[in-house]
Amino acid sequence: RKEVEQDPGPFNVPEGATVAFNCTYSNSASQSFFWYRQDCRKEPKLLMSVYSSGNEDGRFTAQLNRASQYISLLIRDSKLSDSATYLCVVSFNDMRFGAGTRLTVKP
Amino acid sequence: NAGVTQTPKFQVLKTGQSMTLQCAQDMNHNSMYWYRQDPGMGLRLIYYSASEGTTDKGEVPNGYNVSRLNKREFSLRLESAAPSQTSVYFCASSPGQGSAETQYFGPGTRLLVL
Repeated sequence: RKEVEQDPGPFNVPEGATVAFNCTYSNSASQSFFWYRQDCRKEPKLLMSVYSSGNEDGRFTAQLNRASQYISLLIRDSKLSDSATYLCVVSFNDMRFGAGTRLTVKP
Repeated sequence: NAGVTQTPKFQVLKTGQSMTLQCAQDMNHNSMYWYRQDPGMGLRLIYYSASEGTTDKGEVPNGYNVSRLNKREFSLRLESAAPSQTSVYFCASSPGQGSAETQYFGPGTRLLVL
């Protein structure tokens, strides 16, 4: 079983749609959680950290459920520029990356 | 600030050849990392260095060696390349010495081993 699992997608949504990604992790001792964004053939970049109380950054909302060991990312009012692969990252002694969920936003 | 830079951008090797991937950061970060990214696998940590002069194995260290030359530079060496090492290699850095902080990635090196 992978330590961090994500639905690979692809998710194809129209502009303006709301889309949600989930991620599950296996190590219950994990301490820190992140969402990174990776554009095609580019490096990953931090989108947002995920806090226990949940957090929001503009159109993006991240939630953490420690009891069920999953993390979610909600994107509201999708833009064409949101098209990318979204990586779930979980940290205990080191960072463990999910394989990513690919999102395509279409006009 | 250039951030994290990597050279080369692309490389083709024959099985058994050796090469060194170079990484440098200008953010005065303490920690540096080497990852590989393969389709469907996500990024996997090869080696990391929490401070100048120290290096530690990550999840997939076999077939690789590293050198933390100074605070800025962290190189990855393949002594005898194998086709299984065909991948995209990313170097990253973070400010402190822990794993719970944001990592900043370089643009990657695409390596093909024939």
